[in-house]
Amino acid sequence: DAGVTQSPTHLIKTRGQQVTLRCSPKSGHDTVSWYQQALGQGPQFIFQYYEEEERQRGNFPDRFSGHQFPNYSSELNVNALLLGDSALYLCASSRLQGGGLGDTEAFFGQGTRLTVV
Amino acid sequence: AQTVTQSQPEMSVQEAETVTLSCTYDTSENNYYLFWYKQPPSRQMILVIRQEAYKQQNATENRFSVNFQKAAKSFSLKISDSQLGDTAMYFCAFMKHSDSWGKLQFGAGTQVVVTP
Repeated sequence: DAGVTQSPTHLIKTRGQQVTLRCSPKSGHDTVSWYQQALGQGPQFIFQYYEEEERQRGNFPDRFSGHQFPNYSSELNVNALLLGDSALYLCASSRLQGGGLGDTEAFFGQGTRLTVV
Repeated sequence: AQTVTQSQPEMSVQEAETVTLSCTYDTSENNYYLFWYKQPPSRQMILVIRQEAYKQQNATENRFSVNFQKAAKSFSLKISDSQLGDTAMYFCAFMKHSDSWGKLQFGAGTQVVVTP
């Protein structure tokens, strides 16, 4: 099992551009959550996808959008990039329809480091 | 809204010694979960230990144990017999029971450095 995989690992974009980050969840998981982790801070919840719909959203502007595909993989899109969007973007997968606590642990990928210049 | 506070930016400990990381949180919820995650230089967040708020017994996982004080809203992590591989950022996290799995509120983290 490859676990949660994210691509690309690093990315450099220019202010004003658009970016798409990708996440493949752990096998058997159906829910994907995205987090933004600025340097020296804890991760901040962006949004969560289940059954191809956004279920919950954190305090992020509409420039941040996402998508989930039928195979449960997900994309995070950020439009009109700002310098402040530079961060590590983490994807976490979990299984919503779980039995006990052990079935629904969130697993994280290694993240995509986005630098906006 | 929930807040999670980790007041120790960095902790240093020698191999084989014990270190305790503090975490406090603020919530009006009664049912929730608390977690400690480890983030090594590889950047991947790894679950260390979790605690369900309705359980009075403190969780333990090998060398890792917690001291959960619900009334004080405190959730500290003790690392015993520290190993060089324990060097990492440690994040305390909160999740409401009513939230679907994966929506976590994290603290700012504590950098743990284990020295030989």
